[in-house]
This record gives sequence, C-alpha cells and structure tokens, in this order.
Amino acid sequence: DSGVTQTPKHLITATGQRVTLRCSPRSGDLSVYWYQQSLDQGLQFLIQYYNGEERAKGNILERFSAQQFPDLHSELNLSSLELGDSALYFCASSVRSNEQFFGPGTRLTVL
Amino acid sequence: GENVEQHPSTLSVQEGDSAVIKCTYSDSASNYFPWYKQELGKRPQLIIDIRSNVGEKKDQRIAVTLNKTAKHFSLHITETQPEDSAVYFCAASQNTGNQFYFGTGTSLTVIP
Repeated sequence: DSGVTQTPKHLITATGQRVTLRCSPRSGDLSVYWYQQSLDQGLQFLIQYYNGEERAKGNILERFSAQQFPDLHSELNLSSLELGDSALYFCASSVRSNEQFFGPGTRLTVL
Repeated sequence: GENVEQHPSTLSVQEGDSAVIKCTYSDSASNYFPWYKQELGKRPQLIIDIRSNVGEKKDQRIAVTLNKTAKHFSLHITETQPEDSAVYFCAASQNTGNQFYFGTGTSLTVIP
C-alpha cells in the first residue's frame, strides 16, 4: 500500500457523460500527478498540481480538467466522454524527493 | 521537451537468465531516472532509481547503469524468477518534484 488512495475503483458510464475521479495523496505530499493508461499503453502524463497550484501540463484534453483542494486531495474531471477515454487513471504523489507513489488507479469504462 | 525511448517492448527469458532493458533520453538536464514495475492490473511501483551523479546502483538482483554522455540508462535483472514477469517502465525527470517522462514500457516474461 503506497498510502495514495483513489476512488472509485471502477466506473462505468456512457458516452457524453461527465465523471469525477478523486485522489488523496500520502500524508505530507504536496504534489499530485495524474496519468492515463490505455489498454497495453504506457503512462501518459496529464497534469501536475503542487500545493493547490497547477505546475505542469501534459497531453491533457480540453474536455479534461483537474484541481487540487486546500486539504491537498485532487479531482480529475472528465467530460463529454468518448469510447477512447476508457482507460486506467492513476494519480501519484510526491513530497520533496523525486519518487512518485502511485495510487491503485480508477478503471473507467465508457460504453 | 524530454523524450524517453525504451527497448525492447517485449522480452522473454528463461528462469535464471538475465534480462536487460534499455532507455535513452534526449534532455541533458534530466538528472533522475527511476524504474517502475507494474504487474497486471496493479499500480506501478518503484523498484530502483539512479541520479545523474552516480554511474551504477545495485539492489540485490536488480541494477541500473547510467551513461550521461550517451544519454542512456539500463535496467539489469539477474537470476530472473517467474515473479519478475511484469511491465517495466523507465522514466526521466529534472530536479525534485518535477514531472516524469515515461518510456513506453517493456513486457517481461520469465519462462519457468
């Protein structure tokens, strides 16, 4: 157990819908990173937040947005969902060290 | 931005043999290189990392080597066991707390 939690574990929804994925970092970690992993694909970096502020942006679609709240938990919002958005979504957290600790992931299925 | 390439994409070895996975990076400013192991349906977990001020690091059967001049680093697993079967990802980053640039992964199968 890395100490990073993600909810829900699984999410099944329909095209065109909107969902919110939640991540709670390890205690004391200020940075949260979101990744998308499609079937048999690598880890695509989406976005990073540090202490409430956006720090880096990767290949995140305009339909996707994220935020980090004062208690440091983060939410990833995915809207106008398409079949191709079906994937595992991981969040990771880190403090000052380089190591990123990954959560268990949320498996999103868009039907 | 940084570009990390990883080879091979799949690797099969007999139990007890060694496995080597190689990665190259493009940005000479990258100074931290972790390796993650991801078992099927599980989260990626850090198995070893190396910083740019070190050329080699070893942890039991796992070692990582770094060649800054050539901008490549490699993961070496000796005496492979079936439980080593997983997807391995390399990554590169600059400075503390910055984003990781991941390679595309290597699916390692250890045949008993």
